Amino acid sequence: SQQGEEDPQALSIQEGENATMNCSYKTSINNLQWYRQNSGRGLVHLILIRSNEREKHSGRLRVTLDTSKKSSSLLITASRAADTASYFCATGSSGAGSYQLTFGKGTKLSVIP
Amino acid sequence: DAGITQSPRHKVTETGTPVTLRCHQTENHRYMYWYRQDPGHGLRLIHYSYGVKDTDKGEVSDGYSVSRSKTEDFLLTLESATSSQTSVYFCAISESVGVTQYFGPGTRLTVL
Repeated sequence: SQQGEEDPQALSIQEGENATMNCSYKTSINNLQWYRQNSGRGLVHLILIRSNEREKHSGRLRVTLDTSKKSSSLLITASRAADTASYFCATGSSGAGSYQLTFGKGTKLSVIP
Repeated sequence: DAGITQSPRHKVTETGTPVTLRCHQTENHRYMYWYRQDPGHGLRLIHYSYGVKDTDKGEVSDGYSVSRSKTEDFLLTLESATSSQTSVYFCAISESVGVTQYFGPGTRLTVL
């Protein structure tokens, strides 16, 4: 079952604009991670935010987490054509002695030069 | 790709044949995972390993088995491939639970 659901499913913007992607989830989490996948490639980790954190930055990336609303957002500022990729949120949760990372279906971002 | 290789990278096989995919890591990470990625489903966990000879099932484990005889290798076996197992398979590794996972380049499997 999918834990995280990204919104929108697809996003097209001009180079230089900001891109915002959202992720909603249903159950309590230990952390939430964002990954990027270029076409035909494996996933690349972007950022991890723990359940007790509200905001985290990494370069042009800004991630927020609102555990009361069970949602997260990924903001990419000053987008570049090279940011064109699919972006996935993944929720990490533990239970019954195990920990699992559950991925959403992704947001496909197109940055037009 | 963080010292992770997958082989083969592409495979076409026929229904009913056995298939083994290999994941090899040079990072000495304890945890290894197999995911499948399908349109409309995102990534789904098939099996994972938390040490040599220690494995557990994920969300979509039916029809798959795994083995880990060495820290660096994690094998995924389809005992009798079906068309529904046509997918892109990704291996991932992590040092421990609850941390970043590093992904391999993927194996595209087509079952005719």
